Amino acid sequence: DTGVSQDPRHKITKRGQNVTFRCDPISEHNRLYWYRQTLGQGPEFLTYFQNEAQLEKSRLLSDRFSAERPKGSFSTLEIQRTEQGDSAMYLCASSLAGLAKNEQFFGPGTRLTVL
Amino acid sequence: GNSVTQMEGPVTLSEEAFLTINCTYTATGYPSLFWYVQYPGEGLQLLLKATKADDKGSNKGFEATYRKETTSFHLEKGSVQVSDSAVYFCALSDQGSGYSTLTFGKGTMLLVSP
Repeated sequence: DTGVSQDPRHKITKRGQNVTFRCDPISEHNRLYWYRQTLGQGPEFLTYFQNEAQLEKSRLLSDRFSAERPKGSFSTLEIQRTEQGDSAMYLCASSLAGLAKNEQFFGPGTRLTVL
Repeated sequence: GNSVTQMEGPVTLSEEAFLTINCTYTATGYPSLFWYVQYPGEGLQLLLKATKADDKGSNKGFEATYRKETTSFHLEKGSVQVSDSAVYFCALSDQGSGYSTLTFGKGTMLLVSP
């Protein structure tokens, strides 16, 4: 399968714990995006990378959130001191900059439940 | 800022019925418009897109026309199937973000019964 993959698919954690999610984009894609989707809502943009540079961050991305893409390939999203309001589906997408107005391909998501 | 408004669901139809899901948008500049579909237990998939006014996107029997004068991008299908049951999201990206970030509507669930 050469699509976007995410790991883990599900994560249950206790409030106050740290969690880290991983995203592997389509191999030739240079842009990688993180979105958050809560129940009954559409995905909301969090941040995106072009190669290893983080080019934009939403104001939704509080100080407890950090994302990295160290070698311009896979990316990690870490949430420190999780809160119940962080419970959501975290989606990753990738695209090839300049191609078809950056058509984005999405992974299956990581569902986070904070108890 | 940018926003997308979709009709609320669920939309419940019988097989072979005609489908319309309304979508209107607010954006600066000239956005690109998209419909994504999310089948149960799966990730978002791009269904169709249009990048300029009067463009018609189409795929798998679904169509949507970019109407700049009414800032709309309504999704239509002439004859739905049970397998079309899913959540449909309208989205846009605009020049202000370099056509990078997507702004989504809340989604509309479609339920098709045999």
